[in-house]
Amino acid sequence: EDQVTQSPEALRLQEGESSSLNCSYTVSGLRGLFWYRQDPGKGPEFLFTLYSAGEEKEKERLKATLTKKESFLHITAPKPEDSATYLCAVLHVEYGNKLVFGAGTILRVKS
Amino acid sequence: GAGVSQSPRYKVAKRGQDVALRCDPISGHVSLFWYQQALGQGPEFLTYFQNEAQLDKSGLPSDRFFAERPEGSVSTLKIQRTQQEDSAVYLCASSRLVSGNEQFFGPGTRLTVL
Repeated sequence: EDQVTQSPEALRLQEGESSSLNCSYTVSGLRGLFWYRQDPGKGPEFLFTLYSAGEEKEKERLKATLTKKESFLHITAPKPEDSATYLCAVLHVEYGNKLVFGAGTILRVKS
Repeated sequence: GAGVSQSPRYKVAKRGQDVALRCDPISGHVSLFWYQQALGQGPEFLTYFQNEAQLDKSGLPSDRFFAERPEGSVSTLKIQRTQQEDSAVYLCASSRLVSGNEQFFGPGTRLTVL
C-alpha cells in the first residue's frame, strides 16, 4: 500500500489558470510534510515544510496547506517558469530520519 | 556557501563493473542521505549518516551497495558488480539537523549500466 500518493500524475495549465496539487498520506505520527520542486536533470529543490494540521506556508505564487490526511499545493496565476515536477514527502516516527516521497505531479504551464 | 555537490554527474558502466559516486554535503551539515530515483518516480531512501556513523542502511537494495562517510563530511556510495537494474539517478542530501528535516539535495549522478 502506497503511503504517499500524489494527484494528478500530470497537469497542464494555461498561464494564469490557478489550480491545486494533492498529496495524501496514510500514516499517522507525521513529523513533517515537505514539498519539493524538481526540474529535469536536477535534484529536488526544497519549497516548504509543514508540521501540523491547519498550517499554511506561502512563497510567491505557491501556497501549501496541511490537513490530518493530506496536503495541497495551490498555484495561483501560474507562469511557464513554474513548469516542473512537484514532489511531496513525509517524515514519520516509524521511518526514522528518511523522507518517503510520492511519485510527483508533472506540471506544464503553457503561455 | 555552495550547495550539495555530486560527482560525476553522469556515469556509464558496463554490467559487472564497480562504480563509486561522490557526495560533498553543505559544510557543517551533520546528516547525509542517499536516495535512488528511477525514471518517473520519487526518490527512494538508501542510507543515512549522522556525522561518520551510518545509522540506517535499510534501503540499500543488496549487499553490492556500500556507503561510507569516514570523516563525517564527504560520502561515497559504491556499487559493486553493477547490474542493469541499478540504472537510476543517485541523489545525495544533507541537513544541518539530526532530525532529518530540511534536507537539501544535490544535482544527482545519473548511472547507466549497459
